[in-house]
Amino acid sequence: DGGITQSPKYLFRKEGQNVTLSCEQNLNHDAMYWYRQDPGQGLRLIYYSQIVNDFQKGDIAEGYSVSREKKESFPLTVTSAQKNPTAFYLCASSPTPSGGYNEQFFGPGTRLTVL
Amino acid sequence: SQQGEEDPQALSIQEGENATMNCSYKTSINNLQWYRQNSGRGLVHLILIRSNEREKHSGRLRVTLDTSKKSSSLLITASRAADTASYFCATVYLSSGSARQLTFGSGTQLTVLP
Repeated sequence: DGGITQSPKYLFRKEGQNVTLSCEQNLNHDAMYWYRQDPGQGLRLIYYSQIVNDFQKGDIAEGYSVSREKKESFPLTVTSAQKNPTAFYLCASSPTPSGGYNEQFFGPGTRLTVL
Repeated sequence: SQQGEEDPQALSIQEGENATMNCSYKTSINNLQWYRQNSGRGLVHLILIRSNEREKHSGRLRVTLDTSKKSSSLLITASRAADTASYFCATVYLSSGSARQLTFGSGTQLTVLP
């Protein structure tokens, strides 16, 4: 998981509450990503950021929001508008803005459960 | 969805045997990557193969790419119990624009029995 930390590891939320997942990297990478993983499924892209102060929607951005005020930080907020937020959330980073040309480095993930 | 498909969904073998996983994708790619995920953990990059390459090796891993069939395979030789994990292929489609996003398959769950 080296160089990327996610917190908390487990998170419980009541319906109707917003919650923010933390992602920090000390790899000096330009690009950062948020993915969602459901049981037995692959990863789906929520949001990505190629540089500071810029981010783009991925395939399933509805009900989520992000910010990229610092190069090393890319927090994800799961809002009450997200209808089915229970999932495993993974943050990743890549050395260059064109992240797909290089490998991505993943954090250990946050498991969010809505009660 | 442009998501690729992996085959088989689950694979169980004895230690010492070889494991082969396949990945098919939909449209032209820049590169294809394989990742490993231990249960409840983040993904770890294994190998990247570019569209103009046909085969790459890394230790006990061998990856092939057939762009005419839009498919790739991952071979793990002399498997060990510690290889037990989910394996995902991820493609960078040429249509993904400047972001070069990765599109992940649904994965193969490999179990290596001691």
